[in-house]
Amino acid sequence: AQSVTQPDIHITVSEGASLELRCNYSYGATPYLFWYVQSPGQGLQLLLKYFSGDTLVQGIKGFEAEFKRSQSSFNLRKPSVHWSDAAEYFCAVVPPGGYNKLIFGAGTRLAVHP
Amino acid sequence: GAVVSQHPSRVICKSGTSVKIECRSLDFQATTMFWYRQFPKQSLMLMATSNEGSKATYEQGVEKDKFLINHASLTLSTLTVTSAHPEDSSFYICSACRQGSDEQYFGPGTRLTVT
Repeated sequence: AQSVTQPDIHITVSEGASLELRCNYSYGATPYLFWYVQSPGQGLQLLLKYFSGDTLVQGIKGFEAEFKRSQSSFNLRKPSVHWSDAAEYFCAVVPPGGYNKLIFGAGTRLAVHP
Repeated sequence: GAVVSQHPSRVICKSGTSVKIECRSLDFQATTMFWYRQFPKQSLMLMATSNEGSKATYEQGVEKDKFLINHASLTLSTLTVTSAHPEDSSFYICSACRQGSDEQYFGPGTRLTVT
């Protein structure tokens, strides 16, 4: 079945540590790929997106993501996490021919320890 | 720019009543708006796509007579939950696309509790 999967429901890291959030998709062709962050009381904010081209994408707030076609993955990374990064992170796709309809993964909740 | 607001931010209503949620693009014109539903600790599920001046397109399994969507202007879409029941309690989120762009800008969400 076509889907987007975030294997990790909850991740805890120490402040200053590196972070990688996993995202895998299952579509016949490469979808458009997105990472969003959701903080309490705020709307989802787009961190970065991949449509085509360079497979390493730079986003806001120091985040980056790498598209790996062979692994059908689009993992989100940050070299040094700040306490303010604690939030819910969603990977999302617009499937091929999806007419701009976003399909979201289940989300990964990030906790940051001081 | 690209700010989307929702009103109210939270609402409590009694079972059987209807409640309207507004989604506004504050500083841009939105030809397309989307409505999502998010259950606690779960992901967002697309309910419907709303294009200004035309009928909304509902996703499979979403009752169009229960969730009435109106997109009467380029800056406003409304979602009316009719004859609400406790199982309709959820977090409702809208997003809007700026004219000429595919990027969705999300509102802060509306927490609906039906008692």
